[in-house]
Amino acid sequence: DAGVIQSPRHEVTEMGQEVTLRCKPISGHDYLFWYRQTMMRGLELLIYFNNNVPIDDSGMPEDRFSAKMPNASFSTLKIQPSEPRDSAVYFCASSLGLAGGVTDTQYFGPGTRLTVL
Amino acid sequence: DAKTTQPPSMDCAEGRAANLPCNHSTISGNEYVYWYRQIHSQGPQYIIHGLKNNETNEMASLIITEDRKSSTLILPHATLRDTAVYYCIVRANNNAGNMLTFGGGTRLMVKP
Repeated sequence: DAGVIQSPRHEVTEMGQEVTLRCKPISGHDYLFWYRQTMMRGLELLIYFNNNVPIDDSGMPEDRFSAKMPNASFSTLKIQPSEPRDSAVYFCASSLGLAGGVTDTQYFGPGTRLTVL
Repeated sequence: DAKTTQPPSMDCAEGRAANLPCNHSTISGNEYVYWYRQIHSQGPQYIIHGLKNNETNEMASLIITEDRKSSTLILPHATLRDTAVYYCIVRANNNAGNMLTFGGGTRLMVKP
């Protein structure tokens, strides 16, 4: 398996523009997670899905952020409108299960480095 | 999840064992100890996890104290490629969420 795939790897945009980040989880994994990493706040969980259904979005910073998972092999994180403070590295991760032990190990993608000017 | 405390940075000589400590004094009985690492410009990578017993895999060993209030990650023969930030995380084995709460971690610098 190729692992978790994210695109684009780098995104530079101007304030006010819409940004869409994409993620393809590992095949067969039932859980998908979106994280954001900044120097100030470290790694933060934004939202996670179970079987394509959003379970907890309490980490989503504000209404400008939205995430979808239309099918088991694809998820998007959208920011509209983007602001300079959204500049960060956004990671997607997936796991087989939830119950603890080996099955809930999260595998991370390479991340998308977003810069909002 | 219980909070963990790690030293912010450590150095290790190449080829020597790297011992990374983690305190988790408020850990609950059903909480696992997980270790991840993040190499520069990459996503976090799972290393190892355990509940009570010591664990070993191809990457590292995990030593958990008998009272489970602390643990040590051991990289037996550190290489330059092991330079990374190492995160110690405790999380419950339950259905309330598969949350990994990352703290500041330990920045390990392996030196030649």
